[in-house]
Amino acid sequence: GQQLNQSPQSMFIQEGEDVSMNCTSSSIFNTWLWYKQDPGEGPVLLIALYKAGELTSNGRLTAQFGITRKDSFLNISASIPSDVGIYFCAGPGGTSYGKLTFGQGTILTVHP
Amino acid sequence: EAQVTQNPRYLITVTGKKLTVTCSQNMNHEYMSWYRQDPGLGLRQIYYSMNVEVTDKGDVPEGYKVSRKEKRNFPLILESPSPNQTSLYFCASRPSGRNNYGYTFGSGTRLTVV
Repeated sequence: GQQLNQSPQSMFIQEGEDVSMNCTSSSIFNTWLWYKQDPGEGPVLLIALYKAGELTSNGRLTAQFGITRKDSFLNISASIPSDVGIYFCAGPGGTSYGKLTFGQGTILTVHP
Repeated sequence: EAQVTQNPRYLITVTGKKLTVTCSQNMNHEYMSWYRQDPGLGLRQIYYSMNVEVTDKGDVPEGYKVSRKEKRNFPLILESPSPNQTSLYFCASRPSGRNNYGYTFGSGTRLTVV
């Protein structure tokens, strides 16, 4: 099946720093989603991107749909302790609308 | 409150003993899905359903069964659990529609098979 590769796998940063992570695909995607998972909870949708080149913000989060349609980026500005968690990219897999493929996740740790 | 509810939250069982993890959503969503989460592997889709009586395999369906007899419920069945099915499981749902790919997830079921 389709694969999504996220990098970095983990990040340790100081409060106030900006964060960047990215996701690449082996094939073209028409939609990119970014999720966050807090410890002990299910993933929560942060941002959805539907068009190549699209740049969308949600508070301190900004995500971009790569022009090649094979990558996406998530930036977090001025990180705070509650940003801790696992961030996942995801995209629809294959021709079925029911399939949604996730990347391996980026574990973010923020030191106060 | 709009939500996806899974039960149980934690389950320890023995190899070969059939079990069912229940999932229910109150948002009238057409699509439902099951995922398993393992360290370093992210979330992998087990099965999904696009509506009542319509199900299809995800990326890791072996050893699992599902059914969708009612729109709100989508149970995950392990007929003969094995230790390699020890994992964190998530049920999720979303509405139909071209730009509605974002699933809403439940809080998870941590399964241990010994």
